[in-house]
Amino acid sequence: EPEVTQTPSHQVTQMGQEVILRCVPISNHLYFYWYRQILGQKVEFLVSFYNNEISEKSEIFDDQFSVERPDGSNFTLKIRSTKLEDSAMYFCASSESSGPQHFGDGTRLSIL
Amino acid sequence: TQLLEQSPQFLSIQEGENLTVYCNSSSVFSSLQWYRQEPGEGPVLLVTVVTGGEVKKLKRLTFQFGDARKDSSLHITAAQPGDTGLYLCAGERNAGNMLTFGGGTRLMVKP
Repeated sequence: EPEVTQTPSHQVTQMGQEVILRCVPISNHLYFYWYRQILGQKVEFLVSFYNNEISEKSEIFDDQFSVERPDGSNFTLKIRSTKLEDSAMYFCASSESSGPQHFGDGTRLSIL
Repeated sequence: TQLLEQSPQFLSIQEGENLTVYCNSSSVFSSLQWYRQEPGEGPVLLVTVVTGGEVKKLKRLTFQFGDARKDSSLHITAAQPGDTGLYLCAGERNAGNMLTFGGGTRLMVKP
């Protein structure tokens, strides 16, 4: 069964550094999403992406964050100048135009 | 801001018992999805309900979407230890839009 894949599974970074989290969505899906889950808290929406542009973003997704689809398969989340509070699980998801969202296994981001 | 409240947060039952998890909101959703999440993994889709009043069955799991599309329930019959996990509901306003997640119900089924 097709699945969303995310790399790396765990990323440890010094505060202030930039990180890029990578995702390969399911191949025929058109909508792409990033969510995060801080330990012990709800899964929170960050951003959705369709037709090569951001279609929706939350208050969390400020200028520190950016997304890109650099080629036909990858979807990336960049976090500039990371802060301690950016430590969380980051999940990528994708969906067809009218179907449910399918999630990857996440990247655990630890900011030191 | 749309909120989804899930209850109970924690549930510990014996094998063979029945249980119901609730997901409630004051907002209307176009669809509601139920996921199960294991430690260290992403949410895995169980079912999507779209129509008000809709009932879907997945083996011993029964999912219902409220008539007004503001709430949903998950009922598990004769729970088994393999059902242990975190169950999440998530609502979507329109296809391609963000999901709003509930806080999850952590279920433990003891043999």
